Amino acid sequence: QVQLQESGPGLVKPSETLSLTCTVSGGSVSSGSYYWSWIRQPPGKGLKWIGYIYHSGSTNYNPSLKSRVTMSVDTSKNQFSLKLSSVTAADTAVYYCARIGGDSSGYYKAIDYWGQGTLVTVSS
Amino acid sequence: QSALTQPASVSGSPGQSITISCTGTNSDVGSYNLVSWYQQHPGKAPKFIIYGVSNRPSGISNRFSGSKSVNTASLTISGLQAEDEADYYCCSYAGGSTLVFGGGTKLTVL
Repeated sequence: QVQLQESGPGLVKPSETLSLTCTVSGGSVSSGSYYWSWIRQPPGKGLKWIGYIYHSGSTNYNPSLKSRVTMSVDTSKNQFSLKLSSVTAADTAVYYCARIGGDSSGYYKAIDYWGQGTLVTVSS
Repeated sequence: QSALTQPASVSGSPGQSITISCTGTNSDVGSYNLVSWYQQHPGKAPKFIIYGVSNRPSGISNRFSGSKSVNTASLTISGLQAEDEADYYCCSYAGGSTLVFGGGTKLTVL
């Protein structure tokens, strides 16, 4: 059973950089069958796809966030990470890490596993 | 990249069927059979219930079904049960290796 767990600060000051890490167990970020993604959900609102990273390090980001987002993967630790720069109160949200099916997964472009989510509040 | 359009809320009585629509454009829903659906109970992470427009993952009840016509995908839940009360989100591949979600629909079981 694949499990994903987000970790990182729950409070970030405006204009600073939000940093989160997702640790994967029961599966490998080195697998070529999946992409590793971040999704966020502001309190009381809907889901928004932030982007995803492949084991090779190639990335794809939501155009609306692209200028502020950086994702990375650490295959030795079976982790992947998110950095979001110049945050404002509008970036306050529950951040989920998740696995997306790739070409050979059977669930192409569907999100089959999610972390439990972590609330990040942007406030001074 | 605009969010897909879903009704804010739908409701139904136990045993009835309901359908939730998800309207996109010919750049996302209309161009790819890559629509997925997620169920989210309050305070919980979303759960994967439909992929590839109409396919159910292992372990998902056959009361859940999906379909698509042109730029609109639909999720139908038959034989409504109290435990189906939740928020539901559609998601579509939108080309250029991007994904887009719907705004979400709150299902109330009366």
